Amino acid sequence: EAGVTQSPTHLIKTRGQQATLRCSPISGHTSVYWYQQALGLGLQFLLWYDEGEERNRGNFPPRFSGRQFPNYSSELNVNALELEDSALYLCASRLAGARGETQYFGPGTRLLVL
Amino acid sequence: AQTVTQSQPEMSVQEAETVTLSCTYDTSESNYYLFWYKQPPSRQMILVIRQEAYKQQNATENRFSVNFQKAAKSFSLKISDSQLGDTAMYFCAFMTPVYNTDKLIFGTGTRLQVFP
Repeated sequence: EAGVTQSPTHLIKTRGQQATLRCSPISGHTSVYWYQQALGLGLQFLLWYDEGEERNRGNFPPRFSGRQFPNYSSELNVNALELEDSALYLCASRLAGARGETQYFGPGTRLLVL
Repeated sequence: AQTVTQSQPEMSVQEAETVTLSCTYDTSESNYYLFWYKQPPSRQMILVIRQEAYKQQNATENRFSVNFQKAAKSFSLKISDSQLGDTAMYFCAFMTPVYNTDKLIFGTGTRLQVFP
């Protein structure tokens, strides 16, 4: 069974540009989570999508947004990039309707903003 | 607010020895879950072990076991017979479904180095 996949592996952008990160969950998983792992800030929750809807977001500005597609894959968009957005962005998925179930992580996308 | 604290930024252990990583958490909820995740240098986060707060019995997975002390809000991870492949960052994480967030709250991590 394929795990969570993310693309691209690395992304280099300049300040002010937009970045789009993609995530495909494990088959059968309908919930997708996004986390930011920035140096010195640890792992922080960004967004949660379930059944195509945004269910919750962390303490991040509105320029962090995303969506979930009918096939449950997800996209994270970061607009007006700032230097401090440089981080590893991790996507995780979990089984449908299973509160408290394990979130399985993808390999991440390393975003570098110059 | 829920918080997770890992007080050991770095630890080292010799191959075949046992090591214990500490984690404490703070919550007023009774319904929650605790996790240990491992992030090797290749960076893919992997689940090590999961504990449901309502279960008294400590979770075990092969060489990995936890000491879950609910009253003390402590959730330590014991790695027995350490192997070189155990070298990684270890994150303790907390989740409660109570507020409809389902988000994982992570500690700052413990970097474990296993020496031959």
